[in-house]
Amino acid sequence: GEDVEQSLFLSVREGDSSVINCTYTDSSSTYLYWYKQEPGAGLQLLTYIFSNMDMKQDQRLTVLLNKKDKHLSLRIADTQTGDSAIYFCAQRGGADGLTFGKGTHLIIQP
Amino acid sequence: GAGVSQTPSNKVTEKGKYVELRCDPISGHTALYWYRQSLGQGPEFLIYFQGTGAADDSGLPNDRFFAVRPEGSVSTLKIQRTERGDSAVYLCASSFGQAGGRRSYNEQFFGPGTRLTVL
Repeated sequence: GEDVEQSLFLSVREGDSSVINCTYTDSSSTYLYWYKQEPGAGLQLLTYIFSNMDMKQDQRLTVLLNKKDKHLSLRIADTQTGDSAIYFCAQRGGADGLTFGKGTHLIIQP
Repeated sequence: GAGVSQTPSNKVTEKGKYVELRCDPISGHTALYWYRQSLGQGPEFLIYFQGTGAADDSGLPNDRFFAVRPEGSVSTLKIQRTERGDSAVYLCASSFGQAGGRRSYNEQFFGPGTRLTVL
């Protein structure tokens, strides 16, 4: 079945880069997504990548996809306190519903 | 409204009761999704509507759960004989769905959720 795995916590110093990793199992995935969830707020789409791409950059965000290893990463450059949130990796396979990981809590140290 | 709205924001009920959760999608979005997010977990897919019909209900955990979207806009998730294990945040999302094409990244816009607590 479909499964998405993420580490639960990541702690970084303000100003450093954060790298959040994800592995997925569905080789038929067409799109892979990163969502951000802040306390009391809804899920917000940060970025996405199509499965035939290796990399996508959007301002401070860089997504890397290793399709052979089914590994996806999200790099946030110059991490700020406002980046503190839970980050979810999600895959879209044959159906339109998304399969999410458990989320990575990003903790920013001053 | 500008985004997906869900009502109520919080619902407390007793075990065995019936509840209805409502979702108002973004105007013009043909696809609507329900997810359930338990504490410490990621959202779990429940059901997907394209227009009025349920295109995929494979995520509904059992026959106590049912959802409708009679006019292709507002949707209601219905839970019968609620159990304590049903306690979670129920999220609704909408998108352009198939109208965007299979190669479209089909962004799903999420509502704030309904927090259901079954005592």
